[in-house]
Amino acid sequence: GAGVSQTPSNKVTEKGKYVELRCDPISGHTALYWYRQSLGQGPEFLIYFQGTGAADDSGLPNDRFFAVRPEGSVSTLKIQRTERGDSAVYLCASSLRAGGSSGANVLTFGAGSRLTVL
Amino acid sequence: GQQVMQIPQYQHVQEGEDFTTYCNSSTTLSNIQWYKQRPGGHPVFLIQLVKSGEVKKQKRLTFQFGEAKKNSSLHITATQTTDVGTYFCAGRSGGYQKVTFGTGTKLQVIP
Repeated sequence: GAGVSQTPSNKVTEKGKYVELRCDPISGHTALYWYRQSLGQGPEFLIYFQGTGAADDSGLPNDRFFAVRPEGSVSTLKIQRTERGDSAVYLCASSLRAGGSSGANVLTFGAGSRLTVL
Repeated sequence: GQQVMQIPQYQHVQEGEDFTTYCNSSTTLSNIQWYKQRPGGHPVFLIQLVKSGEVKKQKRLTFQFGEAKKNSSLHITATQTTDVGTYFCAGRSGGYQKVTFGTGTKLQVIP
């Protein structure tokens, strides 16, 4: 697509429920990043994919968080047993590739998915 | 792990005044990018710096990368109300492609 698309834009759920957030990156972009942003804070790295594989998942806070990108395009961030502290805007970004310095590694962000856990 | 700090956290300036934000990394960076996030929006790429001591300009914006590649700055000359937003630096270190964002500087411009 023309830009990075994230759905849903808003999700309200109850504590303990399961949530899936979807990211559709720019067509042809091989690298895909997930970030979490709380109010007044900078984007906090969660995970990034190069193709289908998770190249770095060091930012996932605990084992309740999991992300997949089975065909190297669309990615889903899955959160089990949600907690109130998971409330934040979840941002997805893609780039042509992860490495290099030519500009192919510039991140294009989606509008984000705002998650509220009651 | 790598930490990227920015100062100041907030800055209020009168329209027409200059503004500078500073970015400091705990580790040497392979490159640094700057992003701007308007209120209610998402981060949008501004520029990338790669070389030690590099300086780049975009109209009223001047970006610098430190000689040791551990710090960077963004300077805006004669701010305008359209400059309002939060400015983030974001860096990669070593062979890792994980992009770590700074804490951000929120700029408010008073007309």
